[in-house]
Amino acid sequence: NAGVTQTPKFQVLKTGQSMTLQCAQDMNHNSMYWYRQDPGMGLRLIYYSASEGTTDKGEVPNGYNVSRLNKREFSLRLESAAPSQTSVYFCASSDPPSTEAFFGQGTRLTVV
Amino acid sequence: QQQVKQSPQSLIVQKGGIPIINCAYENTAFDYFPWYQQFPGKGPALLIAIRPDVSEKKEGRFTISFNKSAKQFSLHIMDSQPGDSATYFCAASYSNQAGTALIFGKGTTLSVSS
Repeated sequence: NAGVTQTPKFQVLKTGQSMTLQCAQDMNHNSMYWYRQDPGMGLRLIYYSASEGTTDKGEVPNGYNVSRLNKREFSLRLESAAPSQTSVYFCASSDPPSTEAFFGQGTRLTVV
Repeated sequence: QQQVKQSPQSLIVQKGGIPIINCAYENTAFDYFPWYQQFPGKGPALLIAIRPDVSEKKEGRFTISFNKSAKQFSLHIMDSQPGDSATYFCAASYSNQAGTALIFGKGTTLSVSS
């Protein structure tokens, strides 16, 4: 039972490069989330999605775009990476009205 | 602006002690308050959760106390063990037309010494 799968696990980008972080869940959950985790800052919500085609901004959306491709997949895109986007990115899913969120293993992104 | 404020940032207790982690919120639209536990290199995992119509919830050695009027809630870990050493996050969620947003505090790093 895979749960929430994120790819890649590690990535190094140069400033200005673009990339897409992939996330897929096999629990048939409706809601999906993207967070970034930085030392001393906790987990900050970037974007969330209630269903295919529906997304909304979280606490720190600037510099990111998302696509809810279908019920399983929710991708996060950095169009022009900046060093300030160096972080660990977590994808999560849940199935309201139960709001327990299940997290992936994270993607460690370094922008140089 | 941090919507969920968590303290302390770090905590060191001896085995058998009772660490207490506190959180406060302002947004009265929050309707679900979970605590997550995270070990190094792993994603967070749900530990225990409470809804605002309940003042206390206990699951094993973990207890949430909730004070709706003060907009505060806390996690108590009874008889703490070295295996409880981890980072703990409080969180709060609300729902709107776009879905359910889950907002986290900054986390507390707990070390339990043997």
